[in-house]
Amino acid sequence: NAGVTQTPKFQVLKTGQSMTLQCAQDMNHNSMYWYRQDPGMGLRLIYYSASEGTTDKGEVPNGYNVSRLNKREFSLRLESAAPSQTSVYFCASSEWTGGGGYTFGSGTRLTVV
Amino acid sequence: GDSVTQMEGPVTLSEEAFLTINCTYTATGYPSLFWYVQYPGEGLQLLLKATKADDKGSNKGFEATYRKETTSFHLEKGSVQVSDSAVYFCALFQNNNAGNMLTFGGGTRLMVKP
Repeated sequence: NAGVTQTPKFQVLKTGQSMTLQCAQDMNHNSMYWYRQDPGMGLRLIYYSASEGTTDKGEVPNGYNVSRLNKREFSLRLESAAPSQTSVYFCASSEWTGGGGYTFGSGTRLTVV
Repeated sequence: GDSVTQMEGPVTLSEEAFLTINCTYTATGYPSLFWYVQYPGEGLQLLLKATKADDKGSNKGFEATYRKETTSFHLEKGSVQVSDSAVYFCALFQNNNAGNMLTFGGGTRLMVKP
């Protein structure tokens, strides 16, 4: 009963390094999302994928890219990490984009030094 | 655009006290409203929801009523427990030209002392 699984849980990067955050869900959901969480700002949507084969920008997409590898997996890539990208990143999924009842992973805490 | 405003925390209560966390929203249409809870070290979990005006969402002793006239969705619980210590997020969802997405408030940390 895994739900949404994110890897890694923690990561420290140097400015300019690249990395990919992985997310997989086992609920046969169609839609997947990437959020970042910063103190006092709630969660902000980076990118989402309404269904396999589609991706769209959210509120704060700059500096990120995504890939919907298949129905289960949705990855987030930082090509050249910056200190402003220090945050906690959450992946979420839902049956469809309509409704708002999302299932979240446990998060990746990323620090860029 | 759509937005959600929550009372700032932390909110510190003694066990068995009454809890209210205020949430107000701004939206052009008729959104659905949600409360999510985040326990330490975990992702967000859906706590309750309401999809239309005057609906009451409830779960685990928590309640919130969708008040369209005051654009509010305040979270309440009659008697909190230490295990309720967490961060609570109010959120709205609606379909619009900008796409379908949840808009979150900034979160309110609740600390319950024995």
